[in-house]
Amino acid sequence: AQKVTQAQTEISVVEKEDVTLDCVYETRDTTYYLFWYKQPPSGELVFLIRRNSFDEQNEISGRYSWNFQKSTSSFNFTITASQVVDSAVYFCALSEVKAAGNKLTFGGGTRVLVKP
Amino acid sequence: GAVVSQHPSRVICKSGTSVKIECRSLDFQATTMFWYRQFPKQSLMLMATSNEGSKATYEQGVEKDKFLINHASLTLSTLTVTSAHPEDSSFYICSARDITGYEQYFGPGTRLTVT
Repeated sequence: AQKVTQAQTEISVVEKEDVTLDCVYETRDTTYYLFWYKQPPSGELVFLIRRNSFDEQNEISGRYSWNFQKSTSSFNFTITASQVVDSAVYFCALSEVKAAGNKLTFGGGTRVLVKP
Repeated sequence: GAVVSQHPSRVICKSGTSVKIECRSLDFQATTMFWYRQFPKQSLMLMATSNEGSKATYEQGVEKDKFLINHASLTLSTLTVTSAHPEDSSFYICSARDITGYEQYFGPGTRLTVT
């Protein structure tokens, strides 16, 4: 069975600090997708990134960057120069590629609080 | 981009009544839709997977007779919470997967409060 662990339940930083969110996953499949979502106080999930298991290239998008390490089954997320608007709950998720469903398994989430 | 809507966004109902939540894909066809439940300060838990024109597949521990799911068309899935109780109060989120990719597009969620 697949599992996603986000060990940090809450992180508090001061604006402009960098913050790294850890994500460790377990799966028996060789083909899978990893995701990060942001959930602001409004509740709506905001898609941030999707990465497939064959692409270990790190990615940068503005102040966001992701480090995928297949050897350690980790897919960590860093926010550089954090801003108050980054305050939200962030979820890492895993989807196995199967014939039907491709359902997502979510980690427990990490609440990020950015203080001005 | 792909948009998924949910209606209503908030609903308050009395214990024992039934509530229907709609999930619509507005600009794409969704062969598969998913229903999640999220309790306060917790993660999303998948309740069921519905495929258009067939019965939903429920996750272990989810009562299929209590949470009725209908996926009658490629753009609409409904979740009916029957005989609601206060412990059913939660945030219900749907998502839709289009026929071309593995990405799920999430609706804005429905907050259900049972009094």
